[in-house]
Amino acid sequence: QSVLTQPPSASGTPGQRVTISCSGSTSNIGGNFVSWYQQLPGTAPKLLIYSNNQRPSGVPDRFSGSKSGTSASLAISGLQSEDEADYYCAAWDDSLNGWVFGGGTKLTVL
Amino acid sequence: QVQLVQSGAEVKKPGSSVKVSCKASGGTFSSYPINWVRQAPGQGLEWMGKIIPMVDVAIYAQKFQGRVTITADKFTRTAYMELSSLRSEDTALYYCARDAGAAAGSAAADYWGQGTLVTVSS
Repeated sequence: QSVLTQPPSASGTPGQRVTISCSGSTSNIGGNFVSWYQQLPGTAPKLLIYSNNQRPSGVPDRFSGSKSGTSASLAISGLQSEDEADYYCAAWDDSLNGWVFGGGTKLTVL
Repeated sequence: QVQLVQSGAEVKKPGSSVKVSCKASGGTFSSYPINWVRQAPGQGLEWMGKIIPMVDVAIYAQKFQGRVTITADKFTRTAYMELSSLRSEDTALYYCARDAGAAAGSAAADYWGQGTLVTVSS
């Protein structure tokens, strides 16, 4: 049981916009920054979004993040086949004094 | 360019310990915390702890307190994660990941090792 809650799956067609939600509490998302990771099959996670809505250099602006209260969202616009991957949200948790992750969302591009 | 290279796969008996290394090249080693994250087969990501090499201070996830030790050698630019009293549920891919240096209270790591598979089996 993950501390942050994500839908197990999401899907979309090429060119579509999809969003993935991440729900937490005041001890994590509510009081700290949210990051998002993309994990392609057989590879290490890749940082997509940090500090709620900042993209590391090299990450396309098709990826965007937002946060409101104790929830956060990752939006992917202009969906491409190479976006098919697992996506994880993460945040620092003040009660647990460490990082917590969502259970991951498997994105399928139909 | 920062690169993190981890040690090779390990097969361990239940009750034993494993020590995984993570050697950094490029960038400034001491200034950025190194995190350890694991992923059981077909499962999600789980944070184990981190070390700040500059001050040699480590913090651990509550779940692993007493069983995990994270250290760093500034001179060889290598971080280590040792997990003891291994059980079958510890079978996982173990990653090291460098903090992105984002704001405090952030769970962001921008460079990751390739992962080390630890298999615990009798």
